[in-house]
Amino acid sequence: DADVTQTPRNRITKTGKRIMLECSQTKGHDRMYWYRQDPGLGLRLIYYSFDVKDINKGEISDGYSVSRQAQAKFSLSLESAIPNQTALYFCATSDFSREGYTGELFFGEGSRLTVL
Amino acid sequence: DQQVKQNSPSLSVQEGRISILNCDYTNSMFDYFLWYKKYPAEGPTFLISISSIKDKNEDGRFTVFLNKSAKHLSLHIVPSQPGDSAVYFCAASPRSSGSARQLTFGSGTQLTVLP
Repeated sequence: DADVTQTPRNRITKTGKRIMLECSQTKGHDRMYWYRQDPGLGLRLIYYSFDVKDINKGEISDGYSVSRQAQAKFSLSLESAIPNQTALYFCATSDFSREGYTGELFFGEGSRLTVL
Repeated sequence: DQQVKQNSPSLSVQEGRISILNCDYTNSMFDYFLWYKKYPAEGPTFLISISSIKDKNEDGRFTVFLNKSAKHLSLHIVPSQPGDSAVYFCAASPRSSGSARQLTFGSGTQLTVLP
């Protein structure tokens, strides 16, 4: 089983609908992140969390919200989806001690969202 | 304005030859640089990193070179194998005083190693 699990893996929704992407991890890491990937733009940070009580906006947080329900769970919500939120979304985790040395993130397999 | 740029969207190399993937950055505050590899339908996986105090880091077939004055880094894969075919993302992280290290990613280069 994957250490970082994202659900759903694929989702098609309509403009204006609320959508939630969920992420759970078994790595025991304290830090969790949500990124989106768009063609030609690479991965961009949406939100990140260093522990359950710590939530921070990333580069492109507008139109998104997050919830850190537990150390192992970090969900991303689109309150009212719009077509330009069509993208591939990745959850990632990191271990502070190791991240501080290598910057290494552990990614889930991605959630492909299409907003019609 | 993209602070980390990978100007080659794709690269094709013959098996056994060297693959060189390039990355340029503009932010002089970046002090850690990483390469991630991504296969289709999978998340990116960490490949190799380098600190700004070094100019080279080697791990098996993979070597990353950092030229701070030119704000340029490159990933060399020698010899290239068909299993290396993937998208390679360059990423950079700024100096911090204990706060979050946030990676800025390039747009990626699709490497195809031809048998």
